[in-house]
Amino acid sequence: DGGITQSPKYLFRKEGQNVTLSCEQNLNHDAMYWYRQDPGQGLRLIYYSQIVNDFQKGDIAEGYSVSREKKESFPLTVTSAQKNPTAFYLCASSSHDSPGETQYFGPGTRLLVL
Amino acid sequence: GQQVMQIPQYQHVQEGEDFTTYCNSSTTLSNIQWYKQRPGGHPVFLIQLVKSGEVKKQKRLTFQFGEAKKNSSLHITATQTTDVGTYFCAGLGGTASKLTFGTGTRLQVTL
Repeated sequence: DGGITQSPKYLFRKEGQNVTLSCEQNLNHDAMYWYRQDPGQGLRLIYYSQIVNDFQKGDIAEGYSVSREKKESFPLTVTSAQKNPTAFYLCASSSHDSPGETQYFGPGTRLLVL
Repeated sequence: GQQVMQIPQYQHVQEGEDFTTYCNSSTTLSNIQWYKQRPGGHPVFLIQLVKSGEVKKQKRLTFQFGEAKKNSSLHITATQTTDVGTYFCAGLGGTASKLTFGTGTRLQVTL
C-alpha cells in the first residue's frame, strides 16, 4: 500500500524543547515538502526538498530545520526558536514526472505546546 | 513572489444550493490544481487544468481555467453534506519550481 506516513498523529512539546516530526513516503517521489496549517487558515510552506541531500527554505522556515538523507524520508525538527509552534503540520511529496507536480499529502501531525 | 488568493474565505449553504469559489493569481500560471481537505483531514488532489479556457467536470463539480491563465473557479451544483470541507487551488507559474497554494475556501453545508 503506497503512500505517505507521518508520525506521531499528536505531539506535545514543552517550552524550550526541540521535537522532530517524521515523514516517510514509498511512492519513489523525488520532491518532499513540509507545510504548516493554523486553524481556519491555508497552507504555508516551511521547507522543501527536490532531491536527496538538498533542501530549500519556504516562506516560514525560521525556527525549523530539516534533513533529506534518504529519498524516502524528510523529517522536520521544530526548534525552541519557534515561538508559536502549535499547528497542524502536513508533509507532502511529488514526482517530477507528474505533470504540474501534483502533491500527495500525509495525514498530518498536530503539535501542541504545553 | 507569486500570490494566490481565493474568495470567499467561507461560505455556508443549504443542501441543494450551488457553490462557487474563485482563485486569482498575481502571475500567469502554467497549470492550476484543486485540492479538497475534509475537516480534520489532509488535502486530497481533485483535478488539474493546463490549457487556457479549459473546463473540466467531475460529477457535480465544474472546474474552469481562465483565458489569461491567472484565475480559476470551482463550481459545485446542488451541494450535499459530503461536500463539506476546505477547497484549495494551487498554481505552478513562471519560473516557480513548486506549487503555490491559495488561501482556501471553507464550505459548510447544512440540511
